[in-house]
Amino acid sequence: NAGVMQNPRHLVRRRGQEARLRCSPMKGHSHVYWYRQLPEEGLKFMVYLQKENIIDESGMPKERFSAEFPKEGPSILRIQQVVRGDSAAYFCASSPPKPTGNTEAFFGQGTRLTVV
Amino acid sequence: DQQVKQNSPSLSVQEGRISILNCDYTNSMFDYFLWYKKYPAEGPTFLISISSIKDKNEDGRFTVFLNKSAKHLSLHIVPSQPGDSAVYFCAGNSGGYQKVTFGIGTKLQVIP
Repeated sequence: NAGVMQNPRHLVRRRGQEARLRCSPMKGHSHVYWYRQLPEEGLKFMVYLQKENIIDESGMPKERFSAEFPKEGPSILRIQQVVRGDSAAYFCASSPPKPTGNTEAFFGQGTRLTVV
Repeated sequence: DQQVKQNSPSLSVQEGRISILNCDYTNSMFDYFLWYKKYPAEGPTFLISISSIKDKNEDGRFTVFLNKSAKHLSLHIVPSQPGDSAVYFCAGNSGGYQKVTFGIGTKLQVIP
């Protein structure tokens, strides 16, 4: 049973380009979470999605960032017109249906975005 | 606003001894507290959790203690093993799903 798969593992973008980060949840999981870890900081919640629905995007920057989890295919975190401050590790996690506060979330290995 | 604080950035412990990792929080609305372990270049891995209505939860070598009046929790690892060397994140959850607020982490080194 494959775990949460994120790709690419490393992504380098020039300022102003677009970054697309992909996340395939564990089999049977229909809930996806994106977190960002800036250097020397803890992971910060960005967005929570179910299939075709954004449930909670309270941690998403207001501009340039968007996320989707289509009916088919992986969840995508999209960052438009990247800036140096977007350089971070982006982690995706998934959980089974009907999660509670105590439901274990399984994390992917992360995508390390470097903006040059 | 740092709702979950891990004030010790690092900790070194001898193999076989007890490791105690501490965490303070400010958000009284947290329903659960969780500990995650993270190795370099990997994602966090869930370790153990505790409900806000409990004061202790144990799983093998890992025990988490919650002092709600002090808004403090701790993770005890005994006996510590070299494979426990990792960054440990304390986290709180109040959303009913996995919207988790993480601390900055404590790097544990277990010396053989």
